[in-house]
Amino acid sequence: EPEVTQTPSHQVTQMGQEVILRCVPISNHLYFYWYRQILGQKVEFLVSFYNNEISEKSEIFDDQFSVERPDGSNFTLKIRSTKLEDSAMYFCASSGHRVPTEAFFGQGTRLTVV
Amino acid sequence: AQSVTQLGSHVSVSEGALVLLRCNYSSSVPPYLFWYVQYPNQGLQLLLKYTTGATLVKGINGFEAEFKKSETSFHLTKPSAHMSDAAEYFCAVSTIKAAGNKLTFGGGTRVLVKP
Repeated sequence: EPEVTQTPSHQVTQMGQEVILRCVPISNHLYFYWYRQILGQKVEFLVSFYNNEISEKSEIFDDQFSVERPDGSNFTLKIRSTKLEDSAMYFCASSGHRVPTEAFFGQGTRLTVV
Repeated sequence: AQSVTQLGSHVSVSEGALVLLRCNYSSSVPPYLFWYVQYPNQGLQLLLKYTTGATLVKGINGFEAEFKKSETSFHLTKPSAHMSDAAEYFCAVSTIKAAGNKLTFGGGTRVLVKP
C-alpha cells in the first residue's frame, strides 16, 4: 500500500540552527501539507502546497518557514532559525484530489530544539 | 472559519464496553468530517470519513460515526472496546477549497481500555 514517508524520525537541533524536514508523498498525489503537533496539544495546520506553490498557510507559518518540492518527489519543510517553541512532531500529508478526501499522513518527525 | 470541539480529553472504558467519543463542529459551509486515530509514536491513520450521502458511516476496526447536521455533531462509536483500541482519536473538519483542503482538528481524546 502506498504511504507517505518522512525522514528523519527524530531530529535534535540547537536553537538558531536551520533544519530541513523531508517527506516523500504518495507518488500520484497533487496536494501536500505540513501539520505540527506540540506535545500535549492539538494537531495544527501549517501549510498546503499545490501546483508548485503555497495555496494556504496558517499564522504559524511565518518567514522562518518555507516549503519546497525540489525534484518532483520530495516535499520539504525548512525552518531557518529554530526556536525552542518549534519543538514538536511535524507531520507531512498528501492527498490525491481537490474534492476533500482523506489526507494520508506520514509517521512524523519529532523535532527537539535545545 | 471552521472549528472542532471534542468533549473529554480522556475516556476510560472497560474491554467489551461501548466506546463513545464526542465531536461537535462549526462550519459556515457544508463540512467534510473525519476521524483519525493515533497510536503511540505513530502517525495519523484515517478511521472513517463523511463527505456526502449516507449520514451513518462505517470505518475500520468496527468504528462508525453519524453525521447529525441539526446537532452539528459527528460522534464516533464502537459497540465493544478491544484492548487494541487504546489510542488517541482526533475529529477533523474540512471544506472544499480551490486548491486542496486543510484539516482543522479537535483537541483529541485519549482512550484507555481496562481489562
